[in-house]
Amino acid sequence: SQTIHQWPATLVQPVGSPLSLECTVEGTSNPNLYWYRQAAGRGLQLLFYSVGIGQISSEVPQNLSASRPQDRQFILSSKKLLLSDSGFYLCAWSPTGRGEQYFGPGTRLTVT
Amino acid sequence: AQSVTQPDIHITVSEGASLELRCNYSYGATPYLFWYVQSPGQGLQLLLKYFSGDTLVQGIKGFEAEFKRSQSSFNLRKPSVHWSDAAEYFCAVEDTGFQKLVFGTGTRLLVSP
Repeated sequence: SQTIHQWPATLVQPVGSPLSLECTVEGTSNPNLYWYRQAAGRGLQLLFYSVGIGQISSEVPQNLSASRPQDRQFILSSKKLLLSDSGFYLCAWSPTGRGEQYFGPGTRLTVT
Repeated sequence: AQSVTQPDIHITVSEGASLELRCNYSYGATPYLFWYVQSPGQGLQLLLKYFSGDTLVQGIKGFEAEFKRSQSSFNLRKPSVHWSDAAEYFCAVEDTGFQKLVFGTGTRLLVSP
């Protein structure tokens, strides 16, 4: 069966510091991968998605970037965090060509 | 572009009572539709999905949803709510051709004793 991992689970970072969040998927190959952000009490905002290694689509211009160095690894980064980057970050995967997405447990990021 | 509307921000239901959460979508062709549930501090879990065929779909945890093309709706139902069903529920439609989901803003379900 497929599983999706995210780490760290929680993170507290000062403004201006770098960020690296990692997501990995097991038990499948060539998945579509997605990064979402969920601000407190808000819905889901799609940040990036990827349909293959090195292929990244950005949904919202912002302080963040994403990379997919391996088939089942998706990384969310920032060079300098802003207060507004605080939120709950969710990674998801979907089988290529099918709509449903499966979500990881999330990373709670607090920028101070 | 596709859009999803969940008109109820909060709903409170007594334990044991029936539940219906509303979802309306905007899409020209037959959509792929989904319901997800999110407990506090956790990721989203897929409850059920509709691709085609029977318009009444069964999901996990005793949930079902009915696709009504004439009303552009995909409402989620459960005949008897349990306290553990308290969570946030999201409806979503696939943005066909782009391999993305468009999510509604969510409905928070509160279950009273």
